[in-house]
Amino acid sequence: AQKITQTQPGMFVQEKEAVTLDCTYDTSDPSYGLFWYKQPSSGEMIFLIYQGSYDQQNATEGRYSLNFQKARKSANLVISASQLGDSAMYFCAMIALGGADGLTFGKGTHLIIQP
Amino acid sequence: GAVVSQHPSWVICKSGTSVKIECRSLDFQATTMFWYRQFPKQSLMLMATSNEGSKATYEQGVEKDKFLINHASLTLSTLTVTSAHPEDSSFYICSATRTRANQETQYFGPGTRLLVL
Repeated sequence: AQKITQTQPGMFVQEKEAVTLDCTYDTSDPSYGLFWYKQPSSGEMIFLIYQGSYDQQNATEGRYSLNFQKARKSANLVISASQLGDSAMYFCAMIALGGADGLTFGKGTHLIIQP
Repeated sequence: GAVVSQHPSWVICKSGTSVKIECRSLDFQATTMFWYRQFPKQSLMLMATSNEGSKATYEQGVEKDKFLINHASLTLSTLTVTSAHPEDSSFYICSATRTRANQETQYFGPGTRLLVL
């Protein structure tokens, strides 16, 4: 079984500041993938970044980076230079690789960027 | 990124009617698609895995006779909510898996909001 824990229900951050969204996970699968998705008020789920459990380097995608600490089972999302448009729900999710399972999601963090 | 569409975006129906929701992968083929449900202010919960050419697999607690899934082609999966009731009102969202360079990424459709009166 897999479990994702996001301990921050909500965050307020000043525009242009960097923000870290926490995510810890638990799994017995030796090979897995970790994802971050953004869900604005419209409801769509927007893929942000992916980290494979065997990837040696932390993933980066533009202003998004994933701070992957395998021993601590954490996969925090870092958003640099936050923008007003970053205000949304953010979900951390994971999947066992090689299987045919869907994603297991955390409860999400509601991020609000203040001007 | 990959494009996944859903139709319709909104459905309002009377209790007892059936509602069909379509999920299409527009620019890639997906042998596996997933259906999730999200209640207000909650996270997404996986309902079922839709497999092209075979039966869907359902998560524990999801009634397969109530939520009929058909994955008739590599780009289309449908979810039919049969005899819908108000408690079925929710946000239904599908995803399709695309594999590139050994990375499997699930891309989500825009979701379908179902309101059962």
